[in-house]
Amino acid sequence: DVKVTQSSRYLVKRTGEKVFLECVQDMDHENMFWYRQDPGLGLRLIYFSYDVKMKEKGDIPEGYSVSREKKERFSLILESASTNQTSMYLCASTSTGVGIQYFGAGTRLSVL
Amino acid sequence: AQSVTQLDSQVPVFEEAPVELRCNYSSSVSVYLFWYVQYPNQGLQLLLKYLSGSTLVKGINGFEAEFNKSQTSFHLRKPSVHISDTAEYFCAVSDGASGTYKYIFGTGTRLKVLA
Repeated sequence: DVKVTQSSRYLVKRTGEKVFLECVQDMDHENMFWYRQDPGLGLRLIYFSYDVKMKEKGDIPEGYSVSREKKERFSLILESASTNQTSMYLCASTSTGVGIQYFGAGTRLSVL
Repeated sequence: AQSVTQLDSQVPVFEEAPVELRCNYSSSVSVYLFWYVQYPNQGLQLLLKYLSGSTLVKGINGFEAEFNKSQTSFHLRKPSVHISDTAEYFCAVSDGASGTYKYIFGTGTRLKVLA
């Protein structure tokens, strides 16, 4: 079974802190994604990566950056957390082509 | 740009009754369509997918969906729901012509199955 692991289920941070959300997949997938999920808005794509060290902005990249130094790991970084970044963050991965996206369990981030 | 509309934000239904969750997408030359389910405090799990071929697609847990190109719809159905089907359901589309692997998700439909 494909496994996508997000390092934390729940995080509480203070405004202005630098926050790292980690995601690891074990299926050698080329493509990885970070989404933000908010009630009534569905899932919105923040960033995705199609190869090591390669990244592209999604629909809502402002306030976020990403890092992919190894194929299996994709990190989302909030440079200076703000209260409007309180949300559920979901990581996904897929193989090249029309792949099925496999999701992690999510990280619920609260910024106080 | 591709878009997905799930018109119903919440659908209450009694146990053992049939249910249909609606999904419409904006037109494209070729699309790939997906339904995902999210149980409370979990990530998303694939229910079914349409890539090509038969327009009636069967998925897990007794769900099925029909791809209707003329109406740009991909509605999800189940003939008899169980309490355990209570969850949020997301429709997603991937634009096959663009060569990317990105999904566009709908805003989700909360299915509440009542005893």
